[in-house]
Amino acid sequence: DAGVTQSPTHLIKTRGQQVTLRCSPKSGHDTVSWYQQALGQGPQFIFQYYEEEERQRGNFPDRFSGHQFPNYSSELNVNALLLGDSALYLCASSLASGEQFFGPGTRLTVL
Amino acid sequence: DAKTTQPTSMDCAEGRAANLPCNHSTISGNEYVYWYRQIHSQGPQYIIHGLKNNETNEMASLIITEDRKSSTLILPHATLRDTAVYYCMFKDPYSGGGADGLTFGKGTHLIIQP
Repeated sequence: DAGVTQSPTHLIKTRGQQVTLRCSPKSGHDTVSWYQQALGQGPQFIFQYYEEEERQRGNFPDRFSGHQFPNYSSELNVNALLLGDSALYLCASSLASGEQFFGPGTRLTVL
Repeated sequence: DAKTTQPTSMDCAEGRAANLPCNHSTISGNEYVYWYRQIHSQGPQYIIHGLKNNETNEMASLIITEDRKSSTLILPHATLRDTAVYYCMFKDPYSGGGADGLTFGKGTHLIIQP
């Protein structure tokens, strides 16, 4: 079992650009959540996808959007990047009310 | 938001028990206490969760006070690899039809000293 995988590992973008991050959930998991972790802070919940629909959303602007595919993998898209979007983006997968398993994250740097 | 209070940092000698406290005075009856940890440069890792009874697994023990307003995570024999940031949080895993977002605070940076 490969666990939760994320790609790419690192990414550098400039202000105003758009970025897409990808996540493959742990085998058998149907729910994917995305988190943003700024340096020195705990992860902050962005949104959660279940059955290809956004089920819950945290306090993030519409520039942050996502998608879940029939195979349960997911993408996080961020438009019009700001310097403050520089962070570690974490994906977590779970089954219904079960524990969340996190991937290693994608480190995004916005210049 | 589900708010918890944890010490910013703690030290523990290798081989000793590490006891990490957490206050969660606003927890409601259906909400479970969860503990995760994050080792540097990795994603958070689930440790344990509980409702009101003490829980133990292969990683740790969780002691929840009778009034459920606080809990303690115990690592019985800490090793250097247990150095990490430990997060305590609470949520109702059965609300909203299933799993929902976790609310992380700043956690406790536990440093295991050789």
